Amino acid sequence: GESVGLHLPTLSVQEGDNSIINCAYSNSASDYFIWYKQESGKGPQFIIDIRSNMDKRQGQRVTVLLNKTVKHLSLQIAATQPGDSAVYFCAETRGAGNMLTFGGGTRLMVKP
Amino acid sequence: DTGVSQNPRHKITKRGQNVTFRCDPISEHNRLYWYRQTLGQGPEFLTYFQNEAQLEKSRLLSDRFSAERPKGSFSTLEIQRTEQGDSAMYLCASRPTGAWSYGYTFGSGTRLTVV
Repeated sequence: GESVGLHLPTLSVQEGDNSIINCAYSNSASDYFIWYKQESGKGPQFIIDIRSNMDKRQGQRVTVLLNKTVKHLSLQIAATQPGDSAVYFCAETRGAGNMLTFGGGTRLMVKP
Repeated sequence: DTGVSQNPRHKITKRGQNVTFRCDPISEHNRLYWYRQTLGQGPEFLTYFQNEAQLEKSRLLSDRFSAERPKGSFSTLEIQRTEQGDSAMYLCASRPTGAWSYGYTFGSGTRLTVV
């Protein structure tokens, strides 16, 4: 069925290195994608978004890449910091309801 | 306070009891969403409102679940006859209406434990 999934459940990186978190989606009708960061005991926090008519979008230390050909989404975090340690979710929307469909999450662990 | 507020933060209840959670969205956001999140999983959509109208409720997990937003401002989610499988984090999100105005803002959630 239609779903949003993640390739790696856990990613461990050294402080200062770049991190790449991947996500696959299966519905070509998805028109908007969002990356969220969730710390323990908190709700998801918006990081960056991208529309389906774009391939790349940059924010502060973060970049999202969208490859519609292979239905793949990635989140790149530059110079990863201990404060980046969290679970990261990709989510997609489609249709008039704009409800979000989330993947299962990737835990990012930053080693000092 | 400019964020989404959810109360209570934690709720422990005995199996079979009814529970009600409240969500206060960002004041100018007319869309309000409820999600459920179990440990290690992404949030799962339950229902949403545009103003006071509940536009989608087919994803509510059973007829024990109901939600209201009577005046188009705060919303409540009620679970009747709770079961242990209802233990989860219940998240509320809000956003303004608009074709590309997708600024979903989530609250910190209500953690429900059914014993």
